Amino acid sequence: ETGVTQTPRHLVMGMTNKKSLKCEQHLGHNAMYWYKQSAKKPLELMFVYNFKEQTENNSVPSRFSPECPNSSHLFLHLHTLQPEDSALYLCASSPTRSGGASGELFFGEGSRLTVL
Amino acid sequence: RKEVEQDPGPFNVPEGATVAFNCTYSNSASQSFFWYRQDCRKEPKLLMSVYSSGNEDGRFTAQLNRASQYISLLIRDSKLSDSATYLCVVSRGSTLGRLYFGRGTQLTVWP
Repeated sequence: ETGVTQTPRHLVMGMTNKKSLKCEQHLGHNAMYWYKQSAKKPLELMFVYNFKEQTENNSVPSRFSPECPNSSHLFLHLHTLQPEDSALYLCASSPTRSGGASGELFFGEGSRLTVL
Repeated sequence: RKEVEQDPGPFNVPEGATVAFNCTYSNSASQSFFWYRQDCRKEPKLLMSVYSSGNEDGRFTAQLNRASQYISLLIRDSKLSDSATYLCVVSRGSTLGRLYFGRGTQLTVWP
């Protein structure tokens, strides 16, 4: 069982819809991340939160809006997306933003998004 | 130029074979290096960190050449369960927020 849980696992939405992705980590970590994984492309960092504060926004379009109410939960609010936003969205956590002892990111299984 | 470039793959090898993956990174200021493994339709997981002196974990050996900005992963005695995509990952600084992932190299081990 993964220590990072993402819901929903699959999401299909129209370009005018509003939806949200949820991530919860049960590892006691203080840093959380959103990554985007598109076919045949490297993972792209979207946002980083450290102790609930956003520390990185990797030039992500405003149609993606993150929210981090506490160190265990991370949301990605989606509105007026484009078909090219279809991808696997991965949440990750780490003990701290500087990685802790091993420099390891713990990923959730991802939310596969299809925008029609 | 991409931050991290990997062998395009895919690699298809028989059980028991030795296979090597290569990776280059573009920024000489990079400080930390990792190999992650991603199974089909699953999340990436850390396979091993890569240290300057090289390091080994069972059948897996990782090497780093800072002068050439080159990282390698060697898998000996391949198992069917090694079939996955291997991601080369580089961090510029102490923050994990700036991890750069390669596209990955797909490995299939056949019986």
